[in-house]
Formats: sequence, structure tokens, C-alpha cells
Amino acid sequence: DTGVSQDPRHKITKRGQNVTFRCDPISEHNRLYWYRQTLGQGPEFLTYFQNEAQLEKSRLLSDRFSAERPKGSFSTLEIQRTEQGDSAMYLCASSLTGGFYEQYFGPGTRLTVT
Amino acid sequence: DQQVKQNSPSLSVQEGRISILNCDYTNSMFDYFLWYKKYPAEGPTFLISISSIKDKNEDGRFTVFLNKSAKHLSLHIVPSQPGDSAVYFCAASAGNNNNDMRFGAGTRLTVKP
Repeated sequence: DTGVSQDPRHKITKRGQNVTFRCDPISEHNRLYWYRQTLGQGPEFLTYFQNEAQLEKSRLLSDRFSAERPKGSFSTLEIQRTEQGDSAMYLCASSLTGGFYEQYFGPGTRLTVT
Repeated sequence: DQQVKQNSPSLSVQEGRISILNCDYTNSMFDYFLWYKKYPAEGPTFLISISSIKDKNEDGRFTVFLNKSAKHLSLHIVPSQPGDSAVYFCAASAGNNNNDMRFGAGTRLTVKP
């Protein structure tokens, strides 16, 4: 396994458009996390899945943000009606569950909203 | 709410010397702490972790120290190498369920040859 992958690596969109990002976790990891990172800050937790169940979504930034993991493998993060303030790096991570396990991050998708 | 703080945005050390990166936290429920390293255009890479039942964990050149009473942890890199130049993030989570990990803002370490 080559690790967590994310697609696309870069996305430029116009304000008001919808965007969708994909994350493929490490295959044996049943937990998948989404984070946002803005310039000069650390990653900010958004949501996470255990298998296909989304167990925490209260930290999603607004109702324009949604995430899915339909078959418990890859996940998508969608932002509807993008705003300039959505410009950031969106990171995905995965981990095992059941104890203190570190999260492994993908390279991120850099979103620029013009 | 900045529950994890890294007050030094940058640190510069000479190759071969010790690098000490510091991190403070405010949430007494945190019981698992991690350090991540991040190179440009890459995601954070896990470096080392420590649970609250320990006060020290060592892995090669990297040692993490935890002072629970002071709510402070530090990462020591000895000896520092130019390849260690990166941004280092401190992270913490609460409970036996590290789903809501809180990160500091990071410290940029530069190791000069």
C-alpha cells in the first residue's frame, strides 16, 4: 500500500461553484478523517468516518460542507456554493481503530476560490 | 479555541546540535499526544507519540517529554540534521478514541549545515 491518496492535488474554482474531493485511505484502515488547513495554522478537524458511518460531523464548517464514505473505502468531501474563504488545503487521514493509533495523512487538495 | 499552542513559529539550529520544540495545551482531558512533521507540498507525517501514562518516549534521535502538571510537552531532536528542516506540529486528543485531534499552529525548524 502506498499510503493515503487524494485527488485532485489542486483545484481552482470560481465562487459559487461546487467542488468535490476524493480520498483513498490505507486499505486496512477503517477510520477516515477530513481536515482543513489554512496558512500559518495546523490542521483543523472537520469530520470522520468509521467504516461507512459518519460518527462526527458537528465540526463541519457550514451546511455547505458534506462528506460521504458510501462503501467504507474511499471518501468524498463536497463544498457547495464555494466562497473565497473556503480557499485552503483539505487534508484526509486514515487510521486503525480501537486504541491510540496515529493518523496517516494524504498530500492534501489545495483549493483556490477566485 | 486554541487548545494546543506552539508559541514559537520558527526555530533555527546548527547541524549536530539539539533542537527543542515546545507545545502547551489547556485541555486536561487530553491523554494522547503526537508530533507530526510536514514538508512543503506534502501532508503531515507522523513522527512520535506519547500517552499520558508516560513522561518520556524515545525513538532514535527523537524524544518526546510530557509534563502533565504543567500541561507541556516538548520534542527533542539530537543530533539535528539538515533533513530535519520542516514544520513540526504538536497534536493532542482525549479519550481512547483519537478521532478529534487538535493541532498546534506549527513551528518551522531550520537546521543549518
